[in-house]
Amino acid sequence: TQLLEQSPQFLSIQEGENLTVYCNSSSVFSSLQWYRQEPGEGPVLLVTVVTGGEVKKLKRLTFQFGDARKDSSLHITAAQPGDTGLYLCAGVGRSGNTPLVFGKGTRLSVIA
Amino acid sequence: KAGVTQTPRYLIKTRGQQVTLSCSPISGHRSVSWYQQTPGQGLQFLFEYFSETQRNKGNFPGRFSGRQFSNSRSEMNVSTLELGDSALYLCASTRMGQGAQAGELFFGEGSRLTVL
Repeated sequence: TQLLEQSPQFLSIQEGENLTVYCNSSSVFSSLQWYRQEPGEGPVLLVTVVTGGEVKKLKRLTFQFGDARKDSSLHITAAQPGDTGLYLCAGVGRSGNTPLVFGKGTRLSVIA
Repeated sequence: KAGVTQTPRYLIKTRGQQVTLSCSPISGHRSVSWYQQTPGQGLQFLFEYFSETQRNKGNFPGRFSGRQFSNSRSEMNVSTLELGDSALYLCASTRMGQGAQAGELFFGEGSRLTVL
């Protein structure tokens, strides 16, 4: 069974601080997705990383896929209250029609 | 275009009852997946339907079932409800389905079920 471990589980920071959240697995994935979920809503895709070592930037968010395609990180620069939410990583299996595997998420709270 | 629509948004049931949740996917999407989300376990995969056929099933008891209609709309049913079934049930649609070619999952806002 493929598992994704996310850390930290909870993070509370002041506006303007930087932070990094991690998504780790012992399994190799063909790609990895990051979603953000706000209260009362479903998760929304932020980015998909496909190639080992790939780095993608989305404004103040930087996503990296590990060289071995087993782990990923999300770095937020100068966090803002609007970044508050639950960040979920999801691994796409390497073969067949296996469903996405989700981590339990990192709950981020950015205080103004 | 309209997003994924789930009904009802909130419901309260008592132990032993059964519940049916509905999901209308984005137009043109043939795959509908269902997830259970709880604070302790995160998002857990229930099942995926593609063109009216169940393609994948998660590790849930037989009390959890689903189906998909010819218009791609899907329903899931939970029978003999237990307290532990209290959760947010999320539906997600995608054009081609999950797997190695998976693209973005488009989620609905969820149906929050409380079992008393």
